[in-house]
Amino acid sequence: QLQLQELGPGLVKPPETLSLTCTVSGGSISNAAYYWGWIRQPPGKGLEWAGSIYYSGSTYYNPSLNSRLTISVDTSKNQLSLKLTSVTAADTAVYYCARKGRRGSGILPFDLWGQGTLVTVSS
Amino acid sequence: AIQLTQSPSSLSASVGDRVTITCRASQAIAGVLAWYQQKPGKAPELLIYDASTLQSGVPSRFSGSGSGTDFTLTISSLQPEDFATYYCHQFKSYPLTFGGGTKVEIK
Repeated sequence: QLQLQELGPGLVKPPETLSLTCTVSGGSISNAAYYWGWIRQPPGKGLEWAGSIYYSGSTYYNPSLNSRLTISVDTSKNQLSLKLTSVTAADTAVYYCARKGRRGSGILPFDLWGQGTLVTVSS
Repeated sequence: AIQLTQSPSSLSASVGDRVTITCRASQAIAGVLAWYQQKPGKAPELLIYDASTLQSGVPSRFSGSGSGTDFTLTISSLQPEDFATYYCHQFKSYPLTFGGGTKVEIK
């Protein structure tokens, strides 16, 4: 059964760079049927999509984060990565990696999520 | 970006009650909408996609309807395990967006 596991530093100082990885187990991140994404959730608040990537490298970013965000895939490690530069307290959140399917020329919703990792931005 | 407005933001209900949550999109998205359930400290779980298609393994007391800009999630008979926060999510176009959430609490 496919599982996603996020790994992060827990605490990041502003204005450093936040780096997260998501390891996919039980399946291949190179499966052409799926996209992969990051969604974050500030404590006590709602969900915000950060960005998505296809195994080939095609990326889609939330414009609110676009200039600071980089999402990449390492197919040799079966990992998804997120880098967010110049972080502030507003970037404190639980960060989830998730999978979504392809459907023709469109997409399906995120159907499989990791457990999430809390990242706190504080000096 | 397509904005999703959920109502109510919270509600109190009893076991056995019928519960309805609405989601309004700022522009038409056909039926390209999903609903998620999230319990405290857990990742969201997909309940419904394409507005009305039940995800595999989800109890039949959950149902969804709507198209265009107005959507509804209904729980026909609320069970103890259904007390959670529910989010709608449009995957029609980028940037992907979520509603603000509806917290279903025990009366």
